[in-house]
Amino acid sequence: QSALTQPASVSGSPGQSITISCTGTSSDVGGYNYVSWYQQHPGKAPKLMIYDVSNRPSGVSNRFSGSKSGNTASLTISGLQAEDEADYYCSSYTSSSPWVFGGGTKLTVL
Amino acid sequence: EVQLVQSGAEVKKPGESLRISCKGSGYSFTSYWISWVRQMPGKGLEWMGRIDPSDSYTNYSPSFQGHVTISADKSISTAYLQWSSLKASDTAMYYCARHNDDAFDIWGQGTMVTVSS
Repeated sequence: QSALTQPASVSGSPGQSITISCTGTSSDVGGYNYVSWYQQHPGKAPKLMIYDVSNRPSGVSNRFSGSKSGNTASLTISGLQAEDEADYYCSSYTSSSPWVFGGGTKLTVL
Repeated sequence: EVQLVQSGAEVKKPGESLRISCKGSGYSFTSYWISWVRQMPGKGLEWMGRIDPSDSYTNYSPSFQGHVTISADKSISTAYLQWSSLKASDTAMYYCARHNDDAFDIWGQGTMVTVSS
């Protein structure tokens, strides 16, 4: 099972909005509404930020939002803050593995 | 507090066996699957497999099937990841994570495994 495709890096200035994409196939992202997003700061365990494409767990800022169109899911962070600088990973249920992660995206806050 | 607490860092030689653990607390351990996730140094997350602690049913990623074994002891709310013969390429951080519906909502702190001669 190949990893989902994410951009290696994105950047933005404080206060701006950024979007991270996560591209899969009809066997994973496009076939199920089971896409989740994780934030990982250096040396720390991942943290769930979005589940089921667009739902936020309790305690996660509403600056984080998720969406999906076809085989591509997206994570949008609005009002960028310095503490948002981290690695972000998407994950999806698949018809084969049955779970797969994206390759990860490094977010830099300029 | 709902948490998963993993066993400490390990340093092993190639060919040795190893079992690391993940203890759940603050919730009904048998009500949620536990997955194991590998992160090699400087790399991304890789889903390895999962176990249903209520009956020890397991699923493995094709990439890890046959290379590791996932087990659980529900009497002590603990899941395990084990290797029978480690390789240098097994050097990585290993996380356990709880499934809540269709996402991994609680993560352990990670166990660093170093395999070196």
